[in-house]
Formats: sequence, C-alpha cells, structure tokens
Amino acid sequence: GAVVSQHPSWVICKSGTSVKIECRSLDFQATTMFWYRQFPKQSLMLMATSNEGSKATYEQGVEKDKFLINHASLTLSTLTVTSAHPEDSSFYICSAREWEGLTDTQYFGPGTRLTVL
Amino acid sequence: QQQVKQSPQSLIVQKGGISIINCAYENTAFDYFPWYQQFPGKGPALLIAIRPDVSEKKEGRFTISFNKSAKQFSLHIMDSQPGDSATYFCAAKETSGSRLTFGEGTQLTVNP
Repeated sequence: GAVVSQHPSWVICKSGTSVKIECRSLDFQATTMFWYRQFPKQSLMLMATSNEGSKATYEQGVEKDKFLINHASLTLSTLTVTSAHPEDSSFYICSAREWEGLTDTQYFGPGTRLTVL
Repeated sequence: QQQVKQSPQSLIVQKGGISIINCAYENTAFDYFPWYQQFPGKGPALLIAIRPDVSEKKEGRFTISFNKSAKQFSLHIMDSQPGDSATYFCAAKETSGSRLTFGEGTQLTVNP
C-alpha cells in the first residue's frame, strides 16, 4: 500500500506558541489530503480537506485562523496550530488520497501527538 | 443520514475464535466501504474494502460481508490472534465525494 509520513511524531510546546505538522505522501502524488483530530478512545474527527494549490475546506466548528493548512505541493501538506493552548492537545492524523483509475483510497499517516503545557 | 453506526463498542474473543464487527448506514449514495485497523498511538491502516457490486470480499483471515438491501456491512476476523488486538473502524464514502464517514470504532481484545 501507499505510504504517508508525518513529522514530528510527537511534540510538546508551551501555551501560546505555534506548532507545524508536516504530512507527506512518499510514493504517490496526492491532490487531496485530509487532517483529522482524535481524542482518546474516540473516532476520527475530520478537521479539514486540503487541496493542492487552493484553500483548504474546513469542517463546521473548526477555526480557520487557529488551524492553518497549506498544501503547496502534490506530496506535502502542513497543519500549523497557532497560539496553541492546552485544549489543543490531541492526536492529529493526516491522510492522503491516492487515485487508481476511477477509484480512490485514503491512506493515513502515523499521527502526531501534540501536548501543550 | 451521514452517520455510520458501528457495534459492538468493545469485543473480547479467545485466540482462534471469530471476531465479528457490524456497521449500518442510511445514506444510499455510499458506495465504498473500507475497514481500518488502528493500534494505540498509531494512525489507522487500511485493512480491507468493498464496493456494493459484490456481497463478500476475503483477504486472508479478514472478510467483509455486505448486505445492500439492509444497508449493513460487517468485518469477520477468522482464527483471531492476540496480534489482532486493536481498534477497528468501519467507514463509508460516496463516489462523488472525497470524505470518509467513520463509525465509532470497536476495541477488539483477543485473549491468548
């Protein structure tokens, strides 16, 4: 299967700082990537859909100015958590959409654990 | 209408037994149904997926059964092993869309 990486795998930061998380599709090009947030023992919550070369589409209730998404190339999307606060602490997971003919599959990255002190 | 209902929430099975996880949906536009396996602290990994043109798909010990009329699909894990202990998520997607709608997840524990 296709491989998606995330960096960093974990990060601890102080309240008020900004944190950038990278998501890369290693062996395929992804015009669409997705960012999810997951709380312990819960399902994945879609935050935004990232399209290469255009603005991200945010889900209802997700603050655009808080969670900045940039999809500057076909293999890289970044999520920046601005002015992070303890309530932003969570497991952030990206996925990338791979097309094979007319069908597509989402492959997930390994996730990034963010802890805001 | 966009929800996918998954059950049970947790499941304990003995080694060698069969694990069965069920999902139900309402949106008749869904036409792609993947299952993901997630270990603690890791991202979900695609396990197996089915489209509604078939009623069953098998890959090794993992089988998806699909009932279009009932709008239900299930994952069967044969000869369950302790290494299968993980959280399993069903999902659904429309061909015309890009987003996956996830079930709530099932925490599977396989006892040795």
